[in-house]
Amino acid sequence: GAGVSQSPSNKVTEKGKDVELRCDPISGHTALYWYRQSLGQGLEFLIYFQGNSAPDKSGLPSDRFSAERTGGSVSTLTIQRTQQEDSAVYLCASSLGTIDEQFFGPGTRLTVL
Amino acid sequence: AQSVAQPEDQVNVAEGNPLTVKCTYSVSGNPYLFWYVQYPNRGLQFLLKYITGDNLVKGSYGFEAEFNKSQTSFHLKKPSALVSDSALYFCAVRDGNYGQNFVFGPGTRLSVLP
Repeated sequence: GAGVSQSPSNKVTEKGKDVELRCDPISGHTALYWYRQSLGQGLEFLIYFQGNSAPDKSGLPSDRFSAERTGGSVSTLTIQRTQQEDSAVYLCASSLGTIDEQFFGPGTRLTVL
Repeated sequence: AQSVAQPEDQVNVAEGNPLTVKCTYSVSGNPYLFWYVQYPNRGLQFLLKYITGDNLVKGSYGFEAEFNKSQTSFHLKKPSALVSDSALYFCAVRDGNYGQNFVFGPGTRLSVLP
């Protein structure tokens, strides 16, 4: 079956530009997570969606970051006015429920020049 | 607030020897504990989890982990390491009573030497 997909796989942008990263979770998974991973480092939690509940945005590093999840399925992470420190791999994961294991997508590698 | 510690950045073990990757956690309520593995140039994969029940849980690729409530630990183990086990391992915790999101540890890089 299809896993979690993310697009684009790579994104190179110039400082100050806006970028949108997309995540398609596994069908039927109610929970969706966004993380950021710098080179060889741990995962930094960004945002979490669970069903129709208000998202947990506590991990977003600044107001330049936002995310939405339409129809309980596809999610888009938007970074406005990108900075060089935003360069990282952005990972999306989904799970069936809140106590279930997460399935991760391949990530989007963002490079801000 | 929940937190996870992986006290070793790097673990080296000879092929065929047992391996242990350590994880300790802190939560206010009941812990939900997970181990994930990240192979080079590949995404994170789930290995095993502890929610409730037996303290010893078995997972993929011959890995197991033991939940120890008194020591707040959830160490990952394998009786006989393979070179192909070389990867980055992450422990994660969610507070079953109070937390909504997962907290991941910083990761431990395991190198299995032939």
